[in-house]
This record gives sequence, C-alpha cells and structure tokens, in this order.
Amino acid sequence: DARVTQTPRHKVTEMGQEVTMRCQPILGHNTVFWYRQTMMQGLELLAYFRNRAPLDDSGMPKDRFSAEMPDATLATLKIQPSEPRDSAVYFCASGLVKAGDYGYTFGSGTRLTVV
Amino acid sequence: DAKTTQPNSMESNEEEPVHLPCNHSTISGTDYIHWYRQLPSQGPEYVIHGLTSNVNNRMASLAIAEDRKSSTLILHRATLRDAAVYYCILRENSGGSNYKLTFGKGTLLTVNP
Repeated sequence: DARVTQTPRHKVTEMGQEVTMRCQPILGHNTVFWYRQTMMQGLELLAYFRNRAPLDDSGMPKDRFSAEMPDATLATLKIQPSEPRDSAVYFCASGLVKAGDYGYTFGSGTRLTVV
Repeated sequence: DAKTTQPNSMESNEEEPVHLPCNHSTISGTDYIHWYRQLPSQGPEYVIHGLTSNVNNRMASLAIAEDRKSSTLILHRATLRDAAVYYCILRENSGGSNYKLTFGKGTLLTVNP
C-alpha cells in the first residue's frame, strides 16, 4: 500500500530552536493536511494545501509556525522559535480530492518534545 | 462544521460484532459520513464513508439511518487489533469547505480477549 512518509519520527529540541518537520505525500494526491495532536486538544487541523497552494492556515499560530509545499513530493512544517507548549505529535495526511469522495491517508507522525 | 456525538467508550469481546453509534442530527445534504480509527501510537486510518446508502468494505460496514441523522459503524468480528479510538466525522462535499476533516473526541473501543 502507498504510504505518507513523515520525518523525523521523533524530535527533542530546546526551547527557542527551529524545528522542521517533513512529509512526503502519496504520489498523485493533490491535497495535503497538517494536524497536531495533544492529550488536551485532540486532533487539530493546522493547515492544508491543494495542488501545492495553501488553502487555509488559520489553525496555526502565525507568528511562529509556517507551512510550505516546495514541490509536489514534499510538504514542510516549521516552528521558529519552538516553545514547550508546541510539544505534540504532528501528523501529515494526503488525499485525492476530485469528483466523488475519498478517504485520506495519514502518516505515522512526528513526536516533538520541546524542553 | 456539522457536529457528531459519539459515546466516549465502548467495550466488546473478541470475535463478537461491535456496533459503534454516531448521531449527527444537523447533517446537511452535501455531508458525507466518514469513519476513521486511530490505533495506539499511530496516525488515524480511514475506515469507511458513505452518503445515503449502507456501505461495506473489507474493514467494516456502515449503516446509515434513512433520515441520515445517525449512523452505525459495524465491525463484524472484533479482534484485539481493532482496539482503537473511532472517529465519526461529517465531511462537507463542497468546494467551500475545502473537504477538510474536523475530528472530535471519538469512541475508545476496548476489545477483551
């Protein structure tokens, strides 16, 4: 089965450092999502792209988070500077949105710990 | 986004059927009913979706009420591997919503051996 690949799987960093998380969506999928999961808030949608264009990033703290898709095979989520409250599991998902309705495929996540 | 209501938790025995309910009384005509599940330490996994008719696939069945205000995910024979959080989500199938998924709290399913 095709997979969404996220790197790194785990990241421990110090407060104030820059963190970059990467996602390789499934080839041919035209929509990419970034989610964050914490015990308190559950799964929150941060941002998403269609055909590499950002559609909505209203779920992200604008001052420190940024999401990009430099090409169709790579999506990035960057935090600068990182804070302890950013500790969470970050998931990327991709899907093919067109006529009809389909499910999305999620990656295994990046577990971020900011100390 | 239209809201869904699910029980916080359910318990079942291995090899028995499991019926996971979901209420969505404010569903609109363009909303698809999606189910995802999340196994421990993994990302969410697509299970099944439907609009009006009942649906079957290799993982589960989805029974949709005639008025579409509720649905039930059916696992025909639960295994220990089915222990997970199950999310019922309404996904608006129109360009304005951008086809996003908004997750609630879900139902934590425990499967007893």
